[in-house]
Amino acid sequence: QQQVKQSPQSLIVQKGGISIINCAYENTAFDYFPWYQQFPGKGPALLIAIRPDVSEKKEGRFTISFNKSAKQFSLHIMDSQPGDSATYFCAASGTGTASKLTFGTGTRLQVTL
Amino acid sequence: EPEVTQTPSHQVTQMGQEVILRCVPISNHLYFYWYRQILGQKVEFLVSFYNNEISEKSEIFDDQFSVERPDGSNFTLKIRSTKLEDSAMYFCASSIQGVGEQYFGPGTRLTVT
Repeated sequence: QQQVKQSPQSLIVQKGGISIINCAYENTAFDYFPWYQQFPGKGPALLIAIRPDVSEKKEGRFTISFNKSAKQFSLHIMDSQPGDSATYFCAASGTGTASKLTFGTGTRLQVTL
Repeated sequence: EPEVTQTPSHQVTQMGQEVILRCVPISNHLYFYWYRQILGQKVEFLVSFYNNEISEKSEIFDDQFSVERPDGSNFTLKIRSTKLEDSAMYFCASSIQGVGEQYFGPGTRLTVT
């Protein structure tokens, strides 16, 4: 019940295209859903996050869509660029002090020219 | 921009040896975490720490592991007797509120031979 399932495992998108990565969760106690971007040899960097009281959040080219009833959320990268090529992790955490992040398995995105 | 720092960037040790991984969290953050990532896999929670005590630990965080905040700036992870399977990237993270955004350091690559 603590798992966060992420798909696809890898994704190839042409420059200028839309990248879409999906995640699903089971634990209804989760109430914070961030996306992290990780480049090889680096730590995960917080990209964008959402809470269940909104269905969508947009920051620049990055949008999170959230479907509370389906317990799913997704990351959309508009106008994908080669510099977006990285591994993306969704995550979730619940309430309570020092809530841990439960990560998805990651999506390796490659944006081609 | 404030960031989490970690030292060393790479640590090679022999099986059975003790290692200490060091982290300097963002200065006004109060909640601290350790995560690990085995090569090519997802990021896994190890332990959270607040107010000088462990808030939560995972099943990975057994008696061989310990954490400490020895002074006002450092946060350490000690592995008493390393095993081959401890080889991974270890990430420190910090959070100002304990719920929501966690900021990750660049990681320490631990190689146990």
